Amino acid sequence: KNQVEQSPQSLIILEGKNCTLQCNYTVSPFSNLRWYKQDTGRGPVSLTIMTFSENTKSNGRYTATLDADTKQSSLHITASQLSDSASYICVVSRSGGSYIPTFGRGTSLIVHP
Amino acid sequence: EADIYQTPRYLVIGTGKKITLECSQTMGHDKMYWYQQDPGMELHLIHYSYGVNSTEKGDLSSESTVSRIRTEHFPLTLESARPSHTSQYLCASSAGQGATPLHFGNGTRLTVT
Repeated sequence: KNQVEQSPQSLIILEGKNCTLQCNYTVSPFSNLRWYKQDTGRGPVSLTIMTFSENTKSNGRYTATLDADTKQSSLHITASQLSDSASYICVVSRSGGSYIPTFGRGTSLIVHP
Repeated sequence: EADIYQTPRYLVIGTGKKITLECSQTMGHDKMYWYQQDPGMELHLIHYSYGVNSTEKGDLSSESTVSRIRTEHFPLTLESARPSHTSQYLCASSAGQGATPLHFGNGTRLTVT
């Protein structure tokens, strides 16, 4: 079964610190992987997309990596801010046929002042 | 911010009532989706549509129906609400192929008493 596993389930850090969130997947054949940010009471918003040929991609203080061989991705947040407090969801799409992506359960990040 | 709107934002209703959750998007996207989200769990697909007059069932389609008469409108109907339907319902849309992001509404929080 195609699956997406995220770790840790939750994380608490101090403002200004860095953190890294992990995503492992078994979705095959692989098309792309997206990281979404979901603020409390809002819908998820796409942060970045990784395709098979990409290893690293940055979006401001967010840097995503992808290792397609080991089927792992990470999201690194630099110099965290209070507004980074949210759930971060890893979503993997298959190539060909259905456009229905597979969602992870998310990592809940809390940034304390 | 994506132009996809869900109403109502919150709904408390008694068991056995029929309810319709509304979702509209102004982006002209062909693909639309309904997801159910519980705390700490992955999003579960309820229904999806690839265009007008096209609807498909997802993982949790039982006890609910959808319609897609117009491109911009994708309502979800629960014929007889039960306490087990208490959850957050997210509507999303996307354009083009699988690499395009999902644009989510801010959800409807449903409580069935």
